[in-house]
Amino acid sequence: GAVVSQHPSRVICKSGTSVKIECRSLDFQATTMFWYRQFPKQSLMLMATSNEGSKATYEQGVEKDKFLINHASLTLSTLTVTSAHPEDSSFYICSARGNRGSNQPQHFGDGTRLSIL
Amino acid sequence: GDSVTQMEGPVTLSEEAFLTINCTYTATGYPSLFWYVQYPGEGLQLLLKATKADDKGSNKGFEATYRKETTSFHLEKGSVQVSDSAVYFCALSDLSGGSNYKLTFGKGTLLTVNP
Repeated sequence: GAVVSQHPSRVICKSGTSVKIECRSLDFQATTMFWYRQFPKQSLMLMATSNEGSKATYEQGVEKDKFLINHASLTLSTLTVTSAHPEDSSFYICSARGNRGSNQPQHFGDGTRLSIL
Repeated sequence: GDSVTQMEGPVTLSEEAFLTINCTYTATGYPSLFWYVQYPGEGLQLLLKATKADDKGSNKGFEATYRKETTSFHLEKGSVQVSDSAVYFCALSDLSGGSNYKLTFGKGTLLTVNP
């Protein structure tokens, strides 16, 4: 089945550091990729939607300059958390959607646990 | 806008018990409906889906039927196992092209199955 690889799985770093998270679709072309944030015991909050070759669309309240998204190819999207602070600590999950018709489900990566000290 | 309401947990069952997790939705069109499962520390896995009214999605003993008349997509399993312990999310997908087929999630239901 469709596989989405997310890397790294866990990051611990100091406040002020920028952190890049990669999301790859391994066996299909992903026209659209999504980035979510999940707080403990809560549902997923959509942060942004990225389409290959175009600027990401951010949800209301998500800072574009804080969370930089690049979707340079049909198999790779990256999320960079710039100048991360402790309040950015969270579980970040990406998903990718194939381009074969309107009923394609989203396939999720295993998530990245980000801890800012 | 679109929304998904699912049964609040946590739900605790004994092994081999019957499981139902209720899910209802509101949507402006005819969305696709999904159940995703999240095991501790992991991302989400697609469990099953249904794309139109009266469709039944099934996988690993789980089933859910797309009921347009009641706007529901309840998840059921006849006999749960300890390995089914996880968080279950009901979701719908807006099929309008301009939305990029975004998913709207319910809040999730934690299921714990005891031996």
